[in-house]
Amino acid sequence: AQTVTQSQPEMSVQEAETVTLSCTYDTSESDYYLFWYKQPPSRQMILVIRQEAYKQQNATENRFSVNFQKAAKSFSLKISDSQLGDAAMYFCAYTHRGATNKLIFGTGTLLAVQP
Amino acid sequence: DGGITQSPKYLFRKEGQNVTLSCEQNLNHDAMYWYRQDPGQGLRLIYYSQIVNDFQKGDIAEGYSVSREKKESFPLTVTSAQKNPTAFYLCASRYSSTDTQYFGPGTRLTVL
Repeated sequence: AQTVTQSQPEMSVQEAETVTLSCTYDTSESDYYLFWYKQPPSRQMILVIRQEAYKQQNATENRFSVNFQKAAKSFSLKISDSQLGDAAMYFCAYTHRGATNKLIFGTGTLLAVQP
Repeated sequence: DGGITQSPKYLFRKEGQNVTLSCEQNLNHDAMYWYRQDPGQGLRLIYYSQIVNDFQKGDIAEGYSVSREKKESFPLTVTSAQKNPTAFYLCASRYSSTDTQYFGPGTRLTVL
């Protein structure tokens, strides 16, 4: 069965600094996708970034980028120039192309941004 | 203005009552999902539907039921058989071209 592990329950970063959130996953599939979702205090789940497993190039969305290490099954999120609005719970998620396409989530990392 | 809406935002239920959570999307997505979130945990899949008039159980379907009569709508009923229904419920739909799920704002259900 596929699993997603986030080993950092909480992280803190100073405003304008850079922070990296860690995620590892386990799968025997070859065609899959990885995501980072942000859940602010409003609790709505917001897509941050998406990575396709067959693409070697790391995905980037403005200040957000990933370090995708397929062999190591690692998928970390880097937030550059952190802003107060980045404070939220961040979830790493996995899905593979198949009958359900269900998302498998990690337990989340709570990011605090200090002014 | 495209998106996913869920109602109500907060819902209170007495023990023994069934309640229905609404989920509507105007994104023209075929697939829709219901997830449950408990404190300190990620989301877990309750039910999903890949197409109208078809749906499948997820990992924690016991005590829940769904219907999919229209493409836009995927309501979730929490029955009295669900032993611990107090949780945050999130509905999602999937954009098939990128296999990406987008979420509604959620419903907080509390059993009194």
